[in-house]
Formats: sequence, structure tokens, C-alpha cells
Amino acid sequence: GIQVEQSPPDLILQEGANSTLRCNFSDSVNNLQWFHQNPWGQLINLFYIPSGTKQNGRLSATTVATERYSLLYISSSQTTDSGVYFCASQGGTYKYIFGTGTRLKVLA
Amino acid sequence: NAGVTQTPKFQVLKTGQSMTLQCAQDMNHNSMYWYRQDPGMGLRLIYYSASEGTTDKGEVPNGYNVSRLNKREFSLRLESAAPSQTSVYFCASRSGTAYEQYFGPGTRLTVT
Repeated sequence: GIQVEQSPPDLILQEGANSTLRCNFSDSVNNLQWFHQNPWGQLINLFYIPSGTKQNGRLSATTVATERYSLLYISSSQTTDSGVYFCASQGGTYKYIFGTGTRLKVLA
Repeated sequence: NAGVTQTPKFQVLKTGQSMTLQCAQDMNHNSMYWYRQDPGMGLRLIYYSASEGTTDKGEVPNGYNVSRLNKREFSLRLESAAPSQTSVYFCASRSGTAYEQYFGPGTRLTVT
């Protein structure tokens, strides 16, 4: 089945810094989603981005399905951005495969 | 509109006990999912239900059973809990026409 690799596994930033998180896929990327898991454990939808680029405030995402990767950009990071970021790709008609996440800590 | 709700939020079981985790969604979604998340790991699919009346195994179904009670509700049952089932359990749902999944708040289960 499809394998999803996220990098970096851990990231520490000073408030105000920018960062890029990456997901690589071993097989075709389908219906990719990015999630943020906040420090309280809640999973929050960030982007549904099967291809192309989307922006939402300080966050943007790009998926290049033909090259099997997706990027999440965080600009001017804030302490509230801390948590774990996951990408997930549809691995079958109804199944989704998650990466192991990038753990982000933003320092004040 | 509560989205996806899960009960209970926390549970401690002894090895061998049984319990059922409840999930309900009010978004009229067709598909529902159960995942487990272990420390430092991503989510792994336990079971899913593509539509009312159907259920299928995911990556890690052993030790679990599910019931799609109706379109709104999808329960996960542990018949004989084991310490390896200590985890955080998430329920999710998805409409039939869109691909975004929406998650509940999770149930933190400890088996001693």
C-alpha cells in the first residue's frame, strides 16, 4: 500500500519565522488533506488540496501530484501554530493513509 | 451543528473487560471511520463504513468490532481489552460527494 513520509519529524521555531513541511508519497497522491493536531489533541482540517496551491491566511499548501509530494508553508509563525501537522492521502476508495506527522514547537 | 461527537472522552479498563466507544455525526455524511493514534505516530485505520449498512476492515482491525447503527452513528467495541489497545481513538466522517474528513475530539483509553 501507499507509504507517506513527512519531514522534518520535529521542528522548533522562534515566533515570526517561516517554515516548510513536506509529505512524500510512495504511490499516486489522491485527495490529499493537511491537518493540524493542537496541543489538546483536536484534529483540525487545514486544506483539502488534491493538486495546485491554496492559501488561507498565513498558511498555504501546494500539491504536485505528478511528483508525489505536497508542501505546507507556515509564514510568520505564532505560538498557537504549535502542535503536530499531518498529511493524509486516499489509499483506496474510502481509506486514507496518514503520515507520522511533523511536530512543531513555536517559541515566544 | 455539533459535527462529530464521541463518548466517553476518557476511559480506564482492566485487561479482559469490554466496552463500546460511541460516535455520532450530524452532517448527514455517508462514510464514517475509526482510527487509533499511538504516541508519536500517525493515525491508523481500524474499521470504516462507506455507507449505512456496510463496514470494512482497515489496517489494524484485530481485537475490535464495529456497528453502523444508522446513518448518524458508528460504534467501536472492544470485546476483551488488552494493554496493546491503550491508545487515543478518533472517529471521523466524510460526505459522499466531498473528500474532506472531519474528526471527533477523541477518546483516550488506557488498559491496565
